[in-house]
Amino acid sequence: DAGITQSPRHKVTETGTPVTLRCHQTENHRYMYWYRQDPGHGLRLIHYSYGVKDTDKGEVSDGYSVSRSKTEDFLLTLESATSSQTSVYFCATGGTRGQPQHFGDGTRLSIL
Amino acid sequence: QKEVEQNSGPLSVPEGAIASLNCTYSDRGSQSFFWYRQYSGKSPELIMFIYSNGDKEDGRFTAQLNKASQYVSLLIRDSQPSDSATYLCAVNMGGFGNEKLTFGTGTRLTIIP
Repeated sequence: DAGITQSPRHKVTETGTPVTLRCHQTENHRYMYWYRQDPGHGLRLIHYSYGVKDTDKGEVSDGYSVSRSKTEDFLLTLESATSSQTSVYFCATGGTRGQPQHFGDGTRLSIL
Repeated sequence: QKEVEQNSGPLSVPEGAIASLNCTYSDRGSQSFFWYRQYSGKSPELIMFIYSNGDKEDGRFTAQLNKASQYVSLLIRDSQPSDSATYLCAVNMGGFGNEKLTFGTGTRLTIIP
């Protein structure tokens, strides 16, 4: 158990609404990551954090923002959700100095 | 663009045989290499990691790394039906200090009883 909790686990919402996904960790890892996983594309990095209030963009960051006000929590926000953001979202922790990342159970997000 | 390539499969292997999964990567400076297993509808689970050229064994799993050829593989001996899953190769490109992973799209493995 990597001590990662994602919430909600499932969400259905409408285009144009704001959505916030939460990742909570208990292992005090410095690095946290948000990925999306889509058929044919594999896991793609959205944003990551290397400390409280320290974040950076990944390869598919457009339309997403993140915040990290505490070591244990990393939030992913879709300011105005679009159907193209329908996906499975995974949070991960670890990865410092080449160490493995470990994943949460994921959030299945559907935007209608 | 830095890439990780895997054959998407499906790869079908008889129960008890050796399953061989392959991955190539584009960045010669890559330092860390990971194999994750992902069952349908579940999250990726770390199986193996390797940093140095050669083989690394853990139970029925062996990871093989050849940095000169930019190639990493995963061997699964005595394959079991429970090994049926998608296997993701991930590479830390750019070396230590770049704490991001690039993932391949995965190889779907089916073990035939």
